[in-house]
Amino acid sequence: AQKITQTQPGMFVQEKEAVTLDCTYDTSDQSYGLFWYKQPSSGEMIFLIYQGSYDEQNATEGRYSLNFQKARKSANLVISASQLGDSAMYFCAMRGNNAGNMLTFGGGTRLMVKP
Amino acid sequence: GAGVSQTPSNKVTEKGKYVELRCDPISGHTALYWYRQSLGQGPEFLIYFQGTGAADDSGLPNDRFFAVRPEGSVSTLKIQRTERGDSAVYLCASSSGSSAETQYFGPGTRLLVL
Repeated sequence: AQKITQTQPGMFVQEKEAVTLDCTYDTSDQSYGLFWYKQPSSGEMIFLIYQGSYDEQNATEGRYSLNFQKARKSANLVISASQLGDSAMYFCAMRGNNAGNMLTFGGGTRLMVKP
Repeated sequence: GAGVSQTPSNKVTEKGKYVELRCDPISGHTALYWYRQSLGQGPEFLIYFQGTGAADDSGLPNDRFFAVRPEGSVSTLKIQRTERGDSAVYLCASSSGSSAETQYFGPGTRLLVL
């Protein structure tokens, strides 16, 4: 079975500062993928960034980067230069190769950016 | 191109009624997924289609839930004899079909069972 844990129910960050959202995972699969999605109040899940378990370098997409520490089974999302529009729920998710193509999601972190 | 679309955006029904939720995936995407998101939680997997067939329906909670994708494009999630506990946001996602591909989500259907 796969499990995703997000231990921060809510986070505040000052506009223009960086913030790290934590994600730890548990799986018996040797090959897997890790995803981060943003869900604004409108409800749509917006894909942010992907990290494959065999990728040697941390993934980056614009202001988003994924701090992947395989031995610790963590895949933290770092958002640099926070903007007011970053206020939303953020979900970490995993897809294991032996578990079909389904995504397993964590419980989410609500990020609030202060002006 | 257009993203994943879902209709209706909101659905209010009474306990015991039948509902259908529709998902129109990104054009050309062969894989389609349904998830359910209860208030304050992350989405939970329901069913996955590859083409017209359900490749994995292990997430369907019981036999009141059923989904079809007859032509390999649009999918309909059907819920019979709705219960108050079925109230949730139903999310649809699609991907190009490769197991390594990212799933792109629609805006969801908010279902409220009174």
